[in-house]
Amino acid sequence: AQSVAQPEDQVNVAEGNPLTVKCTYSVSGNPYLFWYVQYPNRGLQFLLKYITGDNLVKGSYGFEAEFNKSQTSFHLKKPSALVSDSALYFCAVRDKNYGQNFVFGPGTRLSVLP
Amino acid sequence: DGGITQSPKYLFRKEGQNVTLSCEQNLNHDAMYWYRQDPGQGLRLIYYSQIVNDFQKGDIAEGYSVSREKKESFPLTVTSAQKNPTAFYLCASSRSDRVAWLNIQYFGAGTRLSVL
Repeated sequence: AQSVAQPEDQVNVAEGNPLTVKCTYSVSGNPYLFWYVQYPNRGLQFLLKYITGDNLVKGSYGFEAEFNKSQTSFHLKKPSALVSDSALYFCAVRDKNYGQNFVFGPGTRLSVLP
Repeated sequence: DGGITQSPKYLFRKEGQNVTLSCEQNLNHDAMYWYRQDPGQGLRLIYYSQIVNDFQKGDIAEGYSVSREKKESFPLTVTSAQKNPTAFYLCASSRSDRVAWLNIQYFGAGTRLSVL
């Protein structure tokens, strides 16, 4: 079975500092990994995905994520946080062997303090 | 949220009442999904449809029903059998082709359902 864990409910970071939002996963086959962001009372917006290839994936709004197969992790990073990055972030995994369905993590609320 | 329209934005249900949430997409996507979002639990899949006139139960289908009569539309009915319907409901769509596992899901803005 697929599962996703986001070990931190809340991450606080000062504006201009680097940020990391953690994600670990469990799948039986090859993982396809995604990050989405949700602003208040809105739907989810796609940030980036890892399918294969380079372990460092670059996405929208300056975000990037590093795939680490040995640690089964896919942490989201940004070198310099903005107040406007404050939102709810979801990691999701899709296992090729389980068709089209995503499994989402519980979400991590990021607060960037001015 | 572009391309997927959910309505209404807010909905109130009386006890014993069925309510229907609308989801329309103009992205020409074959696959559509309904998720329920509760605080601290992420998104849970209710139903999904990969093609017109076909749909499958997700993880929490009990108390819900769907139809897929048109490619563009995938309405969700929350029936009176759903005893705890208060949640934020999200509709999504994606392509559904040979490399389906690569396809990104695009989300609507959501409907917040509350019980009176």
